[in-house]
Order: sequence, then structure tokens, then C-alpha cells
Amino acid sequence: AQSVSQHNHHVILSEAASLELGCNYSYGGTVNLFWYVQYPGQHLQLLLKYFSGDPLVKGIKGFEAEFIKSKFSFNLRKPSVQWSDTAEYFCAVNGSSNTGKLIFGQGTTLQVKP
Amino acid sequence: DAGVIQSPRHEVTEMGQEVTLRCKPISGHDYLFWYRQTMMRGLELLIYFNNNVPIDDSGMPEDRFSAKMPNASFSTLKIQPSEPRDSAVYFCASSFGTATYEQYFGPGTRLTVT
Repeated sequence: AQSVSQHNHHVILSEAASLELGCNYSYGGTVNLFWYVQYPGQHLQLLLKYFSGDPLVKGIKGFEAEFIKSKFSFNLRKPSVQWSDTAEYFCAVNGSSNTGKLIFGQGTTLQVKP
Repeated sequence: DAGVIQSPRHEVTEMGQEVTLRCKPISGHDYLFWYRQTMMRGLELLIYFNNNVPIDDSGMPEDRFSAKMPNASFSTLKIQPSEPRDSAVYFCASSFGTATYEQYFGPGTRLTVT
């Protein structure tokens, strides 16, 4: 069965610090990978996605993620975080089962101190 | 497009009462998902539909929960009878086909059962 693991449950950073959130998945076949963000009191929004091609994916608000197939990883990065990046971040995966179903990780809460 | 619409946004009810949550997916989307989000368990998929047909309800906690999708533009999630442990935020999401798997989330319904 597919699963997604996010290593960090709670991350606290100061503004301008660099961010990297870990995400590992377990699935041996072709995968589609996503990062969603949930700002306080809001619904989940798509940050970025990977289907194929360049393993370095750029998303909104300066976020990027790198797909490393050999490590089953899809880590999220941002060179310089802002206070407005305070949110919960979810990694999700869908295998090639054509079900449309996403498996979400447990989420990582990011707190950025001004 | 108005996005995924959920109602009510907040619901407070007493234990034992019936609760009905409603969702209108984005027009043209053929997948609809119901999720539950709690601090303890994170984001859990309860059930999803494809072309109004339930595909996977393995995440539904127990028989007190039921979901229907009578047509392409409306779905309900019912809890009868409700219990305090059902208190959570319930999200509805929709997507188009299996090509992208990108899910669009509604604002959620915050349910409190006293």
C-alpha cells in the first residue's frame, strides 16, 4: 500500500531562514507528487506538483521541490521564508492506479517568527 | 468558477443528533472526495466518488457515517447519531479525471459535537 511520511511535524524558523521539509513515499511504480499548503483557518491549496520531466519543480510563492526517485523523496524547499509562510504543509502521492485518490502525509506545521 | 462550496461552515450539535454536511463540487469535475481533519489523526480520506458512484469508502469510520452523491453537482455526508469524537473539520474536494489528480478543496465544515 502507498504511504507518505513527513519527517518534521513542527518547524520553527526566523524570517529569511531557508526551509526544507522532508517527504518520503512508499510506492514502487510511477507516481504523481504534490505539496499542498493550509494557511491558518483556510482550506488546502496546491503549492506545486510533479508528474514527469524535470525533477525540480517550481511552485507558487517561491517554493520548489525536488523529486529524487532513488530516494523516494519529494522535499519542499524555499530559500528565504516569510512570516506569511506560517502554515501547515502536506505532501501527497498518487500512484499509477488511475483512481484519482491521493495519499496525504501527516503534515508539517511551519511557524515563521518575524 | 466559485470553487468547491461547502455548507454549513460551522455546525454545533449535541451528541445523538443527526448532522448533514453538504458539498457542491466544481462544475465538470468527475471525482469528489470527503476528508476529515483532526489534530490527532491529520487529514483522513473518508470516501470518494467517481461519476457519482462511491469507489472507496474504506475510510468511513463506522456505520454512523454515510455519504451520497445523487447527482454530479451535490454530495452529502451524514453522521447519525453524532458523537463528541466526531468533532473535526470536514473537507470536500473535487478533481477532473485521473490525468492530473489535482484536487481542489472546499473551505471545510467545522463540526463540534457537545
